[in-house]
Formats: sequence, structure tokens, C-alpha cells
Amino acid sequence: AQSVTQLDSQVPVFEEAPVELRCNYSSSVSVYLFWYVQYPNQGLQLLLKYLSGSTLVKGINGFEAEFNKSQTSFHLRKPSVHISDTAEYFCAGSVLSGNTGKLIFGQGTTLQVKP
Amino acid sequence: DAGVTQSPTHLIKTRGQQVTLRCSPKSGHDTVSWYQQALGQGPQFIFQYYEEEERQRGNFPDRFSGHQFPNYSSELNVNALLLGDSALYLCASNQGTPRTEAFFGQGTRLTVV
Repeated sequence: AQSVTQLDSQVPVFEEAPVELRCNYSSSVSVYLFWYVQYPNQGLQLLLKYLSGSTLVKGINGFEAEFNKSQTSFHLRKPSVHISDTAEYFCAGSVLSGNTGKLIFGQGTTLQVKP
Repeated sequence: DAGVTQSPTHLIKTRGQQVTLRCSPKSGHDTVSWYQQALGQGPQFIFQYYEEEERQRGNFPDRFSGHQFPNYSSELNVNALLLGDSALYLCASNQGTPRTEAFFGQGTRLTVV
């Protein structure tokens, strides 16, 4: 089955601490992988993407992610979080059909940064 | 560049009614996809339009239909609304292949009462 699984529904963390948001994908999902952030009452903003090449991907706002094919994982990390990072984070994979693709999303992880 | 724009931002409808949501893609983009995001859930793919045709469809009933216009803008129509259709409806656009980044609009919050 095509699936993307985010292993933590909520991650509380103190400001300036490091954080990791975990994401696993099924083998039927392509290796076009994405992390999006959603602030309250807003749409989705792309943080970073993996299409090919280096397994360590750097994105906006100091976030990075590591693609691990053997573990079918694409975990998101930030070495030091800020209050403003409090938001919902979604991992997504592209499921390909011919020359088209649709995004399959995980259930989301709520990152709550505490002062 | 205005990015992806959706209208309206909020909408309240009664069960059994019909609704039309609109989306203008980012400049230069020719592919539009629609997603439904229920409260506390990740977005679910509804369908995708390219060259004015539905190219791919998710697991949604026929009550959900769409259209793409020659200027690449798109509409999502939902007939016979159910309470369970209450959700944030997101439009995403990209250019051509699935390797390109999808840009999302702010969404339309639909409440069915």
C-alpha cells in the first residue's frame, strides 16, 4: 500500500533545543519526498525536498532532512528551534503514474516549542 | 507573483447543497491538484487537472468533480454536500512533471451544517 507515516503526532520541545520529526514511507512511494509546514489557518509551505543526489537535504529556516533508502525514512531535523517554529509539519511522497504524480501525506506532527 | 490563490477563503453551506471552489495557479504552472484536509489530518488527494482534462483521481465519490479552464485556473464542485465534507480544501499547482515542487494556496475552509 502507498503510505507515508509520521511516527509522532506531537513533539514538545524547549526553545533552542534540537528536534527531529520522524517520517517513514512505503516502498511503493517514489523517492520524491517532501516536508511541508502549515501554520494555523494557512496553506502548506515547502520546507525542503529530495528528488535525487545527496541524501542530506537542506531547506528553509534552518531545517534539514536525511533520506535513508534502506530504512525508507526521511526524518526532519533542526539543531536549534525557535518559538516561531511552532506549527504542523507534514511529510509527503510523490506517487507516480506515468508522467503524473500525486502527493501522499502523513498525518502530520505538531511541533510545540516552549519558552 | 501572487502564487496560488483560492476563493472564497471561508464558506458555510447546508447539507444537500452544492458548492464551487476556485483556484488560480501560480504563474507559469499548468497543472492543478485539489486536496481535502479534514481537521487534524493530512491532506488527501482528490484529483489533478492538466490540459483541461482530469489526469488522475483519488478515492473520492463522483459528487466531487472539477474543471480546468484554458488559462489553467480550476474549479472544484461538490454536489449533495454531507456533514463529512467539512474540511479545508487546498489547491496546489506545479509545472508539468512530478519532479517539480507543488505550491499550495491558502485553502478554502468549507463548513457544512
